Amino acid sequence: DAKTTQPTSMDCAEGRAANLPCNHSTISGNEYVYWYRQIHSQGPQYIIHGLKNNETNEMASLIITEDRKSSTLILPHATLRDTAVYYCIVRVPLFGNEKLTFGTGTRLTIIP
Amino acid sequence: GAVVSQHPSWVICKSGTSVKIECRSLDFQATTMFWYRQFPKQSLMLMATSNEGSKATYEQGVEKDKFLINHASLTLSTLTVTSAHPEDSSFYICSARLLNYGYTFGSGTRLTVV
Repeated sequence: DAKTTQPTSMDCAEGRAANLPCNHSTISGNEYVYWYRQIHSQGPQYIIHGLKNNETNEMASLIITEDRKSSTLILPHATLRDTAVYYCIVRVPLFGNEKLTFGTGTRLTIIP
Repeated sequence: GAVVSQHPSWVICKSGTSVKIECRSLDFQATTMFWYRQFPKQSLMLMATSNEGSKATYEQGVEKDKFLINHASLTLSTLTVTSAHPEDSSFYICSARLLNYGYTFGSGTRLTVV
């Protein structure tokens, strides 16, 4: 799996868009970008994933650069409940029994 | 949506005793489940991969005789921490993989050994 680099922590004002960057310069052509988040003392929660096109769902948007070496997760209107650690993971789509490896993630704090 | 139920959510046990943590897939069958451990302010570390009907695969450095994993059915995997000690105090999380979908996680078990 390609290595990812994320900022250790970020703050965002409540109601504003939270933009979380992720660098994955060694990503290969068949690897997807996945985002999970972990709210304090809970299990991780799937947010979104994509290959090369921008993706949007009810939780967030994922913007992947044209060269696919970086991406940004966007929470359009952050709320206090979005305070969590956000993990960017790059890997081949999940077939077989491959394990999921977590990096250190970005600790996002939403400020009232 | 697919749900993984983990029980108990927290447990306190005396040093030297064993503790069992259950992980159930509620509305799907999971031939493979994963067990993670997370220490405060650290990321999730994979401990082992649990395979239904066969032996678990442990990550390097994880003692298989201390962390017993049983995956006897397609909906249940258990992790038993044997002869627990204070250094085993941690947050344990299970996960199951859904074909062509991704991973779903349990809510975690906070183990405190006193």
